[in-house]
Amino acid sequence: EAAVTQSPRSKVAVTGGKVTLSCHQTNNHDYMYWYRQDTGHGLRLIHYSYVADSTEKGDIPDGYKASRPSQENFSLILELASLSQTAVYFCASSDWGGAYAEQFFGPGTRLTVL
Amino acid sequence: GDQVEQSPSALSLHEGTDSALRCNFTTTMRSVQWFRQNSRGSLISLFYLASGTKENGRLKSAFDSKERRYSTLHIRDAQLEDSGTYFCAANTGYQNFYFGKGTSLTVIP
Repeated sequence: EAAVTQSPRSKVAVTGGKVTLSCHQTNNHDYMYWYRQDTGHGLRLIHYSYVADSTEKGDIPDGYKASRPSQENFSLILELASLSQTAVYFCASSDWGGAYAEQFFGPGTRLTVL
Repeated sequence: GDQVEQSPSALSLHEGTDSALRCNFTTTMRSVQWFRQNSRGSLISLFYLASGTKENGRLKSAFDSKERRYSTLHIRDAQLEDSGTYFCAANTGYQNFYFGKGTSLTVIP
């Protein structure tokens, strides 16, 4: 019973289209995060949230929006998908947002924008 | 610039040998987390450290408790299933974990 799940697991989108990636956690964690991973690189933070109905920008928020309708759910929205947004997207949750916060990751969503 | 420098970028080990991976930080970090990414792309958390060392089977990790500027991951008696890409992620005390670019490990029979 995975604690962080993501849907879809893979998606092909067209340039200019809208894409929504969803994340659900059963850890009862306050903090949730969206990262992207490009081939051969580590992960970079896009958006995060520490409470429902509130989101914060990470290091690379441009071109992305986020939504946290409940403690369990966190979505990443690409209003106008672009080729450069082809990547693998990971969602994570943690109990604390500060330094002493182990992150738990979902399985990832592979997004291809054509 | 990159907050986390991971080395080596790639490594080949024969089964049964030992090795160490390292992450250097350009600033003081409060905690570090080590992951292995398998061939399916899943991130498996290996260790989370705010200080000191942790050990799990053939894996052991240490976090420099004095200046908090580096962490190591030791692999003892490497096995084929240890192959994958290893990432460290370090946190300065705010919301972001900074990831290294990974070490691609191949264990050879």
